[in-house]
Amino acid sequence: AQSVTQLDSHVSVSEGTPVLLRCNYSSSYSPSLFWYVQHPNKGLQLLLKYTSAATLVKGINGFEAEFKKSETSFHLTKPSAHMSDAAEYFCVVTPRTGGFKTIFGAGTRLFVKA
Amino acid sequence: ETGVTQTPRHLVMGMTNKKSLKCEQHLGHNAMYWYKQSAKKPLELMFVYSLEERVENNSVPSRFSPECPNSSHLFLHLHTLQPEDSALYLCASSQVLAGDRNEQFFGPGTRLTVL
Repeated sequence: AQSVTQLDSHVSVSEGTPVLLRCNYSSSYSPSLFWYVQHPNKGLQLLLKYTSAATLVKGINGFEAEFKKSETSFHLTKPSAHMSDAAEYFCVVTPRTGGFKTIFGAGTRLFVKA
Repeated sequence: ETGVTQTPRHLVMGMTNKKSLKCEQHLGHNAMYWYKQSAKKPLELMFVYSLEERVENNSVPSRFSPECPNSSHLFLHLHTLQPEDSALYLCASSQVLAGDRNEQFFGPGTRLTVL
């Protein structure tokens, strides 16, 4: 079985300060993990993915995430928030091999203050 | 944008209507997905087609009927819906390689309102 928990439903930061969006997962098989972003009235855009290579994954727009198996975490970070980062972020887990079950976290709404 | 288009973008229908949602992907992918996004609930995977065969069906009511005539097109046929079916319906596609499940590319969604 798989599950994803995004620990914060809302995060608010000031422009230029670091961003941390937390995600914990559980999976009975080796997972692939993704972060997606959804801007208002838009579809989902892939930020980054972890499959099985480097545990520190770099994505678009300055975001990165670190896969920590011992902590079953895949937290998303960015050193300096920009106003355009305000959106909803989803952590996603799928089995790396076999099956198409895709589990989304509930989402974290990021607010960026000027 | 992402190479996945959905039509219509907005749809209002009565509970006795029959309508269809259409998804088309221009990425040469071999798997397509339907998701439901409701307010205050996580995205729910509804159906998955891989190589035009349905491989995942997550206990979705029979008033939703998917169809995948080829690897580029996916439909969701709707009939006798309920107001609680109002949601954003998202389509996605991916290239499934042997032993790997690559990232999914999403369309902009169809905003469905059932009166």
